[in-house]
Amino acid sequence: DAGITQSPRHKVTETGTPVTLRCHQTENHRYMYWYRQDPGHGLRLIHYSYGVKDTDKGEVSDGYSVSRSKTEDFLLTLESATSSQTSVYFCAISEGDSINQPQHFGDGTRLSIL
Amino acid sequence: DQQVKQNSPSLSVQEGRISILNCDYTNSMFDYFLWYKKYPAEGPTFLISISSIKDKNEDGRFTVFLNKSAKHLSLHIVPSQPGDSAVYFCAASGIGNQFYFGTGTSLTVIP
Repeated sequence: DAGITQSPRHKVTETGTPVTLRCHQTENHRYMYWYRQDPGHGLRLIHYSYGVKDTDKGEVSDGYSVSRSKTEDFLLTLESATSSQTSVYFCAISEGDSINQPQHFGDGTRLSIL
Repeated sequence: DQQVKQNSPSLSVQEGRISILNCDYTNSMFDYFLWYKKYPAEGPTFLISISSIKDKNEDGRFTVFLNKSAKHLSLHIVPSQPGDSAVYFCAASGIGNQFYFGTGTSLTVIP
């Protein structure tokens, strides 16, 4: 068990509403990540963090923002959700001081935007 | 454009036989590769890695082969077991860069 908790595990919401997903780790690792998984695309990196208040964009960051005010928590926010953001979202953490280390994933949040 | 490709969406293998899952990449700067296994309703689990200085890495029943000239890697599972039935993702990265994932191959091991 990698000590990662995602909440909520499931959410249904309407287009235009704000949504925040939370990732909590008990491992005290520096690097945390948010991915989305969609059919035909595999996992795609949205944003990642390399420390408190230190974040950077991934390949599909448009429409998403993140915050990390504590080492253990990494929040993903959809300011105004769209149907194209319906997906399964995974949080991940990794050890070490580099982005390209093996990552350990949470069990995902299934988000449906109607 | 997909930089990491898994062209076989699914694969079925008899229990005890070898499973071979393939992955191709397009970026010659990629130098570190991972395989993950994913069960339904769970997150991916890291299986095995290989760096570009090697052409083979083995861990128990799992072996990853890397052919840099062909930009191709493969995961061999021998012998395959029913518990290996899952979706397998390959991922690739360059130095200091993010991982790019393939679309996954669903493996079914038939008892």
